[in-house]
Amino acid sequence: DTEVTQTPKHLVMGMTNKKSLKCEQHMGHRAMYWYKQKAKKPPELMFVYSYEKLSINESVPSRFSPECPNSSLLNLHLHALQPEDSALYLCASSQEGVWLAKNIQYFGAGTRLSVL
Amino acid sequence: KQEVTQIPAALSVPEGENLVLNCSFTDSAIYNLQWFRQDPGKGLTSLLLIQSSQREQTSGRLNASLDKSSGRSTLYIAASQPGDSATYLCAVEGVRNTGKLIFGQGTTLQVKP
Repeated sequence: DTEVTQTPKHLVMGMTNKKSLKCEQHMGHRAMYWYKQKAKKPPELMFVYSYEKLSINESVPSRFSPECPNSSLLNLHLHALQPEDSALYLCASSQEGVWLAKNIQYFGAGTRLSVL
Repeated sequence: KQEVTQIPAALSVPEGENLVLNCSFTDSAIYNLQWFRQDPGKGLTSLLLIQSSQREQTSGRLNASLDKSSGRSTLYIAASQPGDSATYLCAVEGVRNTGKLIFGQGTTLQVKP
């Protein structure tokens, strides 16, 4: 099973709402990632979690708050977003360990977010 | 700062044709290079990963090559099919195994029946 599951598939929210995106994998991966992808652009890395600890934050605004409750689950909490935050949010996971020769990232199908 | 460029941005070919997609990167100090496929509105699927010490990888009709010294990679697709129509993205990972990928802008491929 090489599946990364993201929910919801679509989300519409107002600028004052609080919502969360969820990502789950059962491949035993210990690294998980959030990416943001605008239309016709490549994905941009937002956060990396390694062994449930935040290892990379690409200077993302604080209105995006990641959380990794356990090794299989990754959340992205959203609060007071702006219309320009509308995008496809992708989650990915990979094996972890500097001893590994390969670090293939497996992506979920994404959550399409619209901020009104 | 690492920059990844993909040429062409779009490509349309008739079914059965062999084709080459190009990827170039500015900093040759990479850990690996990956090629992904993305269907419209979907997530990414990893196609091939080439480690920095390797020259090429093959999977079925796909062959990816890597020339680190010149900062180039190519993805060769043999006998293209309409089902190959998608956007193809290359991404590089820096020397330290952080998992941080820098993506190119992608090549959108259309294979006409």
